[in-house]
Order: sequence, then structure tokens, then C-alpha cells
Amino acid sequence: SQQGEEDPQALSIQEGENATMNCSYKTSINNLQWYRQNSGRGLVHLILIRSNEREKHSGRLRVTLDTSKKSSSLLITASRAADTASYFCATVSSGSARQLTFGSGTQLTVLP
Amino acid sequence: DSGVTQTPKHLITATGQRVTLRCSPRSGDLSVYWYQQSLDQGLQFLIQYYNGEERAKGNILERFSAQQFPDLHSELNLSSLELGDSALYFCASSVGSSGGINEQFFGPGTRLTVL
Repeated sequence: SQQGEEDPQALSIQEGENATMNCSYKTSINNLQWYRQNSGRGLVHLILIRSNEREKHSGRLRVTLDTSKKSSSLLITASRAADTASYFCATVSSGSARQLTFGSGTQLTVLP
Repeated sequence: DSGVTQTPKHLITATGQRVTLRCSPRSGDLSVYWYQQSLDQGLQFLIQYYNGEERAKGNILERFSAQQFPDLHSELNLSSLELGDSALYFCASSVGSSGGINEQFFGPGTRLTVL
């Protein structure tokens, strides 16, 4: 079963614009991670934010976490055509099952 | 390149058959995870092995089984295949035993088509 739901399902923007993707989840978490997947290929880990953190940066990526709303957002600034991919959030529950539960993903298309 | 290798890249087989997917983790990683990605179910965790022992189980069917060998490579066995088993199967690896605490490194996947 999927814990996270990404919004929007698909996003199309121009190169240079910012892209924002949202993820909502249902249960208490230990951490939340974002992954990127280029078409039909393996996932690449982007960033991990722990439940006691509110914001994290990595290069052009900014992730926020609001545990009271059970939601997270991923912002990609100054997007490039190479950012075109599917983006997934994955949650790790705060219970004993410390495994990744992936959301349904957002397909981002960056037009040159 | 994540350092995780998977073979074969593509597999086409018929219903009722059995196949084996192989994964070699990154050097030094003791955990191997298997995931299934399909259009209707999304990306689902199947099973984790840590240093040869089963560590965690997810949505893995009874027709599926896995093992991790002393050299740490892993195999996922899928039997009595059905059309609905057609999917991308990913292997991932990590250093530690806790699946969600350590960063996982994904292989390129095996695309299974059941006809």
C-alpha cells in the first residue's frame, strides 16, 4: 500500500522556473525521503529530512516538512531540462517497520 | 552509476513459468532490498536481507522468494508467473540493517514481461 500521495501527478514548466511538488502521508514518520527516477531507470536518492527537522537544502533542492499537517514539499529552483524525471517521496514510519513506503510520484517535465 | 548491478535487464516469459532475478549490492553494503514497480501498484517494497538473513518483509507474494548468498549477492525467485507480475523489479542496497535510516542505492532494474 502507498503511504504518500504526491501532488500534482504531473507538472510541466519552462527551463529556469521553479518546480514545487507536494507529498502528503498518513502515519507518524521517522523520516521522509525524496527520490528521482529517470524514465524506466533506477531511483536516485535526493534528500532525507528527519521528523524533527522542518527544512533542508541540497544544492538547488529545498525540502520542507510539516509533521502537524503530515506533508512535505520539494522545491527545485532554476530548473533545467535534465531535471525532467519522476519524483517520489518515501516515508519511514516511526514504528518498528523501518522500511520505505513510496508515494505515487510526480512526473516533472522541464521544457527547454 | 549507483554501484548496484542487476541482471538480466529484460526478461520475457510465459504465464506459469519461473524466473530468477539477480542483484549484486554496492561493495561494502550488507543489506539488499527488493522492490516491485508496476503501473497499478506503484513502487512497493517486497523484502530485505541483511548479511544473509531475512530482515523485513513487505508485500511479497507467497509465489515469490528471495535469498542472499555469502558473497552478499541476492536472487529473487518468481514462480507460477501471472500476467499481473509484469513489472520493473528493483534491487537496492545499503550499509546498515535499518531500511529507512540509511540511504538506499538502487540498481537499474529488471523489466519482467509475462505473456
